[in-house]
Formats: sequence, C-alpha cells, structure tokens
Amino acid sequence: EAGVAQSPRYKIIEKRQSVAFWCNPISGHATLYWYQQILGQGPKLLIQFQNNGVVDDSQLPKDRFSAERLKGVDSTLKIQPAKLEDSAVYLCASSLLPAVRSTDTQYFGPGTRLTVL
Amino acid sequence: DQQVKQNSPSLSVQEGRISILNCDYTNSMFDYFLWYKKYPAEGPTFLISISSIKDKNEDGRFTVFLNKSAKHLSLHIVPSQPGDSAVYFCAASDDKIIFGKGTRLHILP
Repeated sequence: EAGVAQSPRYKIIEKRQSVAFWCNPISGHATLYWYQQILGQGPKLLIQFQNNGVVDDSQLPKDRFSAERLKGVDSTLKIQPAKLEDSAVYLCASSLLPAVRSTDTQYFGPGTRLTVL
Repeated sequence: DQQVKQNSPSLSVQEGRISILNCDYTNSMFDYFLWYKKYPAEGPTFLISISSIKDKNEDGRFTVFLNKSAKHLSLHIVPSQPGDSAVYFCAASDDKIIFGKGTRLHILP
C-alpha cells in the first residue's frame, strides 16, 4: 500500500513570495490533515478535512494560509505572502476515520521543508 | 500554553536496557493518548496508544502507562535497540490531537 505522498520535499523562497504544497493521501482515507512543525516543536494542526469538507481550521492563519481538498482526495496548502516565521516542515497526514478517540491511525507523509529568507 | 509537555529534550540509554520517556499533560478533557516515533527526513509514525479508561497498554517491546490523577504518561521500551534511536512525540486528544515537543532518544552501543 502506497503511503502519503507530498511534494515538493524542499522549498526555499523569499519573504512575501507565495508557495504551494501538494499532498496525496492513502487511497480511501477520508480524513486529511495538514500540520506545521517548527524546528524544536511538535506538529501543530493547521487544518483537518473530512472528505472535501473542513472539520477544523481554528489554528490556520487565514489571512495568509489557505487549503483545499479537491474531490475529497488530493489537497493543496498555500501560503501567500510568506513570512520568515513560516519556515517549518509542513506535514500532511491521512486516516481512514477521524483519528480522535479511535484506534484509527494517522499516517504521515515525509513533509515539505520550507525555508523563508 | 503547552497542554502536552515532554520536559526531557533528549535521553541516552545503553542498548539492551530500558528506555523510559515521560510526558505530562494539563487538560483533564484529554481522553486518548498516543506516542509517535520520528526518524530524520521522515514523517512521524504511530507507535502505540492508550485510552483514558485504561492505565496500561502493551505492544511487544513497547508499553505505555497512564496515570490520570497525576496527568502523566510514560513510554517504556525494553529492551532498547539501536533502531529505537529517534525522536518520540507524545500526543493527546479530545477533539483534536495535540503534540508535545518531542524527546530525542539515543541508544548507545
């Protein structure tokens, strides 16, 4: 079974530029998550999708971050414009069911390391 | 305000001995706890979990203990092996999963 795919793996941009990340979850997984992991911190949930609907985006900085999940499968996360503090690894994860209060596991992709100069 | 705290940034343990990783939480509404393992340049992988109705869950070399009164959980790895060298994240959930900062475990030969 293929895992969660993410691209690109690395991205370097200057502040105020735009950037987009792509995620392809495990086939059949209805729930998709985007996390931000700043160096030395644990992953922080940015947004959670159930199929193509947003379940939780309370920690997404909506003035600059946006995300969509087309047809309930692939997802893109966009930052526009980027700030220095956006430098982080952006992790995508998926699960069959919402991985809260259940034994259903979140499977993480390898992440995209973003450097904002 | 950190709701899930891993106060030891790193831990070194001799191969074959027991590794104990600790985690404290502040939110009494958390009812599900998880441990993830992360190698460099990879995403975290799920290791073991425990529901708040239990105080122990075991899976092979890995055991998680939960002390609800102390709001504390720990992960025991025995015996420790070289491949266990990684960053371990404690996580807790009520309606979303909150991660700690992680503990880097070094298994010494």
